[in-house]
Amino acid sequence: DQQVKQNSPSLSVQEGRISILNCDYTNSMFDYFLWYKKYPAEGPTFLISISSIKDKNEDGRFTVFLNKSAKHLSLHIVPSQPGDSAVYFCAASVTSYDKVIFGPGTSLSVIP
Amino acid sequence: GEEVAQTPKHLVRGEGQKAKLYCAPIKGHSYVFWYQQVLKNEFKFLISFQNENVFDETGMPKERFSAKCLPNSPCSLEIQATKLEDSAVYFCASSQLSKEDEQFFGPGTRLTVL
Repeated sequence: DQQVKQNSPSLSVQEGRISILNCDYTNSMFDYFLWYKKYPAEGPTFLISISSIKDKNEDGRFTVFLNKSAKHLSLHIVPSQPGDSAVYFCAASVTSYDKVIFGPGTSLSVIP
Repeated sequence: GEEVAQTPKHLVRGEGQKAKLYCAPIKGHSYVFWYQQVLKNEFKFLISFQNENVFDETGMPKERFSAKCLPNSPCSLEIQATKLEDSAVYFCASSQLSKEDEQFFGPGTRLTVL
């Protein structure tokens, strides 16, 4: 039973345009949500997080939106750059020091 | 250190042999986590520690897998009598003891069981 879902295995976006990565979750106990970026042969790198008391968090080109009633979050990257090409993992946990449940990932390709 | 360190980078074992993986968390981080990534994308939580105490071991296989975090030593994950299906990348992560602190991941150890 997959608690965190990323239904798009891959996404291609033109450089300079917006990338929108989507994520859905099923466990209403999740209180803390994160996005990680992963390059091949490296560990996941933290990008941005949001707690369930907020509906938006912004950090530079990255914005995460949380719709708790729909159990849905999204990551917006504006503008997209070729260096953003990587696999993006949506993740969730019950508390910030609890185990993190990862989604299956979305492979983003930003085309120059 | 400022990064989570994992050794070795690669480990090859024959089926039935023992495998031992090491993780040095970021200095000052109280929590250590182990995850297993099988195939390309699926991450599975194994075990977490708060300092040297097991915090959550709900993901650990009951047999063959064990882990420790002892004071002044790297944390370790040991697999006795490895099986083919243990082939995966094993990631260690650490975090601080405070609200809204993300987990910082190491580069992983790729275990190949032949």
